[in-house]
Amino acid sequence: DSGVTQTPKHLITATGQRVTLRCSPRSGDLSVYWYQQSLDQGLQFLIQYYNGEERAKGNILERFSAQQFPDLHSELNLSSLELGDSALYFCASSGAGTLLGELFFGEGSRLTVL
Amino acid sequence: DAKTTQPPSMDCAEGRAANLPCNHSTISGNEYVYWYRQIHSQGPQYIIHGLKNNETNEMASLIITEDRKSSTLILPHATLRDTAVYYCIVRVAVNSGYALNFGKGTSLLVTP
Repeated sequence: DSGVTQTPKHLITATGQRVTLRCSPRSGDLSVYWYQQSLDQGLQFLIQYYNGEERAKGNILERFSAQQFPDLHSELNLSSLELGDSALYFCASSGAGTLLGELFFGEGSRLTVL
Repeated sequence: DAKTTQPPSMDCAEGRAANLPCNHSTISGNEYVYWYRQIHSQGPQYIIHGLKNNETNEMASLIITEDRKSSTLILPHATLRDTAVYYCIVRVAVNSGYALNFGKGTSLLVTP
């Protein structure tokens, strides 16, 4: 158990819809990262937050947005969903006291867009 | 940004050492090499990291060449549970933060 909690574990929705994925980082971790893993693209970095502020942005679509709240949990919002958005979405956290570059990943949220 | 190159797949017999190579010829002097693995569709798991010296922990050993252009992850006594995709990563700075860009990795199959 990494200590990172992601909900929901599975989600099935239709094209054009909007969903929110939630991540609770390990206790005390200030950084949260979001990754997308699809069959053809591998594990893609989307975005990083540190203590509520966006720090790094990867290949995140404009239809996607994220935020980190004062209690440090994070949400990834996916809108105008397309079939190609079907993927595993992972959240990871890191913080003070952990090795530089050591990320702790949750078990992921599997999104299926029909 | 340094990129890494890994073989797409490898096999290893159970109980033998698994040696997973990685090329990172464009790595800069202050960039670390990280190794993660992902078992089936679980979240990736950190294994080890290093800068220039060889490193060892309870999971694996990391051997980095003197010129730092390549490294090898060694699982000394592979078990069936070590079957996974192994990722060699060089951390990159992005905006005011950083990211670990996972490539395709090496799919390691440990056989009985």
